[in-house]
This record gives sequence, structure tokens and C-alpha cells, in this order.
Amino acid sequence: EPEVTQTPSHQVTQMGQEVILRCVPISNHLYFYWYRQILGQKVEFLVSFYNNEISEKSEIFDDQFSVERPDGSNFTLKIRSTKLEDSAMYFCASRETQTGNPYNEQFFGPGTRLTVL
Amino acid sequence: AQSVSQHNHHVILSEAASLELGCNYSYGGTVNLFWYVQYPGQHLQLLLKYFSGDPLVKGIKGFEAEFIKSKFSFNLRKPSVQWSDTAEYFCAVNTKAAGNKLTFGGGTRVLVKP
Repeated sequence: EPEVTQTPSHQVTQMGQEVILRCVPISNHLYFYWYRQILGQKVEFLVSFYNNEISEKSEIFDDQFSVERPDGSNFTLKIRSTKLEDSAMYFCASRETQTGNPYNEQFFGPGTRLTVL
Repeated sequence: AQSVSQHNHHVILSEAASLELGCNYSYGGTVNLFWYVQYPGQHLQLLLKYFSGDPLVKGIKGFEAEFIKSKFSFNLRKPSVQWSDTAEYFCAVNTKAAGNKLTFGGGTRVLVKP
């Protein structure tokens, strides 16, 4: 069964460093998402991406964040200058588009645990 | 904006006990409702979803949920749990007004004792 994959599973970085979290969505999916979960808190939406552009972003997704689909298979989340409060589990998700059903299932990856020291 | 609340943060049960996890949402319009499960060390998986039609939906692994519009609720149930149901359970919604992003509840950690 096809799955969303994410690398690395755990990333440790120093405050102020740039990190890139990588995701490989399911191959025939066209909508991509990033969510995050700070320890002990809710899973929060960050950004959605379709047709090579951001379709929606939350207030969390400020100028320090960017997303890219560089090669048609990977979907990356970049944090330009990490802060302590960026420490969280980051989940990628993808969704197949179906005519007449825009709310079908999002498939999630296993997550990347980002620790900012 | 929509929001989701899950009543219990932690639930401890014995095997064969019945499970019910509460989920309430706040939104005045049409919603789509989901329950996701995260087993230890694994990714979020969809248990079941409701878009329209029969408000009682059946999902995988013997789970079901009932959408009660008047109560803004979408409670998850399983009549007899197994040790393998130990996991964290998340209720989520999305709405046409909010695009297709999911808004999650805080999650409920369920521990089933053998």
C-alpha cells in the first residue's frame, strides 16, 4: 500500500540554523500539507500546497517558513532560522483529488521530530 | 473559525471493555468529520470519516462513530477493546469555508491493559 514518507525521522539543530524537512507524498496525489504538533499540544495546520503554489497557510507559517516541490516527487518544508519554539513533530500529508469530493482523506507521513537547542 | 475539543486526555481500560471517546466541534455550517489513530511509533491513520448520509459510520478495526448534528458531536465507540487498540485518537474536522485543512482536537491517549 502506498505511503507518505518523511526524512529524517529526527533532526537536532542549533537555534538560528536552517533546516529542511523532506516528504515524499503518494505518487498520484496532488494536494500536500504540513502540520506540526508541539509536545503536549494539538496537531496544527501550517500550510497547504497545490499546483506548485501555496493554497492556504496559517498564521504560524510566517516568513521563516517556506515550502517547495523541487523535483515532482519531494515536498519540502524549510525553516530559515530556527527558534526554540519550533521544536515539534512535523507531519506531512497528501491527498488525491477526486471530482465532486474535495474533502477526501489526507494520508499522513510518520513525522519528523525537530529539536532546536 | 472551527474548533474541536476532545473531552478525555487519557483513558485506561481493560481488554473487552467498551470504549467511547467524546468529540465536539464548534462551527455553524456543514462539516466533514474524521477520526484518526496513531499507534505507538506509527503515523496518523484514518479510522473513519463522515461527509454526509447515515450519521452512524463504521470504520476499520471495529470502530464506529455517530454524528449528532444537534449536539455538534462525533463520538467514537468500540464495543470491546483489545490490547492492540492502545494508541492516541484524534478527532478532526474540515469545512468548505476553511478549505481542506484539518482542524484537530487535542487527542485522547487510550491505554488498554491486558
